[in-house]
Amino acid sequence: EPEVTQTPSHQVTQMGQEVILRCVPISNHLYFYWYRQILGQKVEFLVSFYNNEISEKSEIFDDQFSVERPDGSNFTLKIRSTKLEDSAMYFCASSVGYSGQPQHFGDGTRLSIL
Amino acid sequence: GQQVMQIPQYQHVQEGEDFTTYCNSSTTLSNIQWYKQRPGGHPVFLIQLVKSGEVKKQKRLTFQFGEAKKNSSLHITATQTTDVGTYFCAGFSGSARQLTFGSGTQLTVLP
Repeated sequence: EPEVTQTPSHQVTQMGQEVILRCVPISNHLYFYWYRQILGQKVEFLVSFYNNEISEKSEIFDDQFSVERPDGSNFTLKIRSTKLEDSAMYFCASSVGYSGQPQHFGDGTRLSIL
Repeated sequence: GQQVMQIPQYQHVQEGEDFTTYCNSSTTLSNIQWYKQRPGGHPVFLIQLVKSGEVKKQKRLTFQFGEAKKNSSLHITATQTTDVGTYFCAGFSGSARQLTFGSGTQLTVLP
């Protein structure tokens, strides 16, 4: 069964540094998403992406965050200047159609900011 | 903004007992989805409900969507140790155009 893949599985970064989290969505999916889950808490929507542009974004997704689809397969989340509170699990997801359809999640990247 | 509340936060049951988690949205939803997240894992899609009053079953799991499309429930009959995990509801509304997750119910099944 096709799956969403994310790299790295764990990223440790000094506060203030830039990080890029990578995702390869399922190949025939058109909508891509990033979510954040702070340890033990709920899954929080960050951003959705369709047709090479941001479709929706939450209040969490401020100017420090950006997303990009640099080629036909990768989907990246960049955090420009990391803060301690950015420490969380970041999940990439994709869906065939619009946001209301079932989403397939990757295994996540655990981001630890020191 | 749209909020989705879920109760209870934790539930411990003996294997074989039933389990129910409830979800309430502050706004009318276009659909509601349920996901299961095993410890250390990622959310896995279980089901989507679209119609008012809809009821769907998957083996021992029964999902309901309220008549007003603002609440939903997941009921598991005769729990097994494989049911362990956190169950999240996630609501989608046309106005918000994003999936809003509930806080989840963490289910522990004691053998």
